[in-house]
Amino acid sequence: DIQMTQSPSSLSASVGDRVIITCRASQSISSYLSWYQQTPGKAPNLLIYATSSLQSGVPLRFSGSGSGTDFTLTISSLQPEDFATYYCQQSYSIPYTFGQGTKLEIK
Amino acid sequence: QVQLQESGPGLVKPSETLSLTCTVSGGSISSGDYYWSWIRQPPGKGLEWIGYIYYSGSTYYNPSLKSRITISVDTSKNQFSLRLSSVTAADTAVYYCARAVSGTYYPIDYWGLGTLVTVSS
Repeated sequence: DIQMTQSPSSLSASVGDRVIITCRASQSISSYLSWYQQTPGKAPNLLIYATSSLQSGVPLRFSGSGSGTDFTLTISSLQPEDFATYYCQQSYSIPYTFGQGTKLEIK
Repeated sequence: QVQLQESGPGLVKPSETLSLTCTVSGGSISSGDYYWSWIRQPPGKGLEWIGYIYYSGSTYYNPSLKSRITISVDTSKNQFSLRLSSVTAADTAVYYCARAVSGTYYPIDYWGLGTLVTVSS
């Protein structure tokens, strides 16, 4: 299985801050990387797919980059509704695997 | 707007079989553009991909669960289902049904609300 490792596991930030979350794959996954946002009690919501493609309806402050084994999710200016847990996921090979999550909290 | 809704027992006894159904509305499960997926999340923990099925019946399972799971599809009812046998407390989780886009990159673009299944006697 391909292991996905996110850092940091938790992060405190303020509204308006620029935040970067990283995701590392245990082997190359080309661009088969998605990012999801999950708020408590809700299902995950797709933000980014194919490393850098913004899902329809997702605000432009979210962006993704990377290739191979190293990827990032950037939120350019945090808004109150962005405080949530973020997961990366590889779809390069079965079983698809998720990172352990990054919990973004209000400072 | 596609919607997915999980249904099934919220409590299952150890060693028994967990059975869940996902009803898809707002789109046809027979579309060749998607894989119909199951994902679970133990309370307070991360996400685990269980497997998915194509409308034709082709299945792809997580090897860690493969001996215990069956995913099936009923195109006439626009539903797909999960069966997980010989459950233990470790199978307690919120189970999500979801849709993954086929073709390239396979992002999971629509999710059900999730249903909590507790394994306990």
